[in-house]
Amino acid sequence: QVQLQESGPGLVKPSGTLSLTCAVSGGSISSSNWWSWIRQPPGKGLEWIGEIYHSGSTNYNPSLKSRVTISVDKSKNEFSLKLSSVTAADTAVYYCARIVSSGWDNSWFDPWGQGTLVTVSS
Amino acid sequence: QSVLTQPPSVSAAPGQKVTISCSGSTSNIGNNYVSWYQQLPGTAPKLLIYENNKRPSGIPDRFSGSKSGTSATLGITGLQTGDEADYYCGTWDNSMSAYVFGTGTKVTVL
Repeated sequence: QVQLQESGPGLVKPSGTLSLTCAVSGGSISSSNWWSWIRQPPGKGLEWIGEIYHSGSTNYNPSLKSRVTISVDKSKNEFSLKLSSVTAADTAVYYCARIVSSGWDNSWFDPWGQGTLVTVSS
Repeated sequence: QSVLTQPPSVSAAPGQKVTISCSGSTSNIGNNYVSWYQQLPGTAPKLLIYENNKRPSGIPDRFSGSKSGTSATLGITGLQTGDEADYYCGTWDNSMSAYVFGTGTKVTVL
């Protein structure tokens, strides 16, 4: 079955760029699925960051759109997240997840990666 | 930012039933399917319910989902200590053009 694993620096300086990668195993990133990033600040709820298709098409949360870039590397079967101009408010556990969809009005996240904590601090 | 409202917490004794509401609007729940996620302490969320009321393989039938109008409900029967977790609803919001999650509900088994 498909498994996802996040990786990247656990500490990023304020005003810097957060960079994470999600490795997909047990399946192809070129399947008919979108792939997503979701984050969760400590002790708080979930926030959808954005999604990407293997063609490179993306959709971003409007609240983060100006700072987010999601890309895909089909040769490595992975996709990545870059979040620029970070502040302490971007400190969170970042999850990657596969999106399963059966229609334009119907999608869900399954499975999820284990998550990685990124702290923004000098 | 959450546009889906859930009660902060619910609790019940082992073996009892709890329900968790998820209230939204016509721009989200009213016109899209809802999914539910279980987040056990210190772990990643896991899919519990999709397409309003369907359970993935491996999810016991103690968990159920329903939707009516602009609200959705998760039900857990035969409550077990292992069900202590945070539960989130989620769906697409057409106005925000974003996937949105509920505020989250902590389930406590007394």
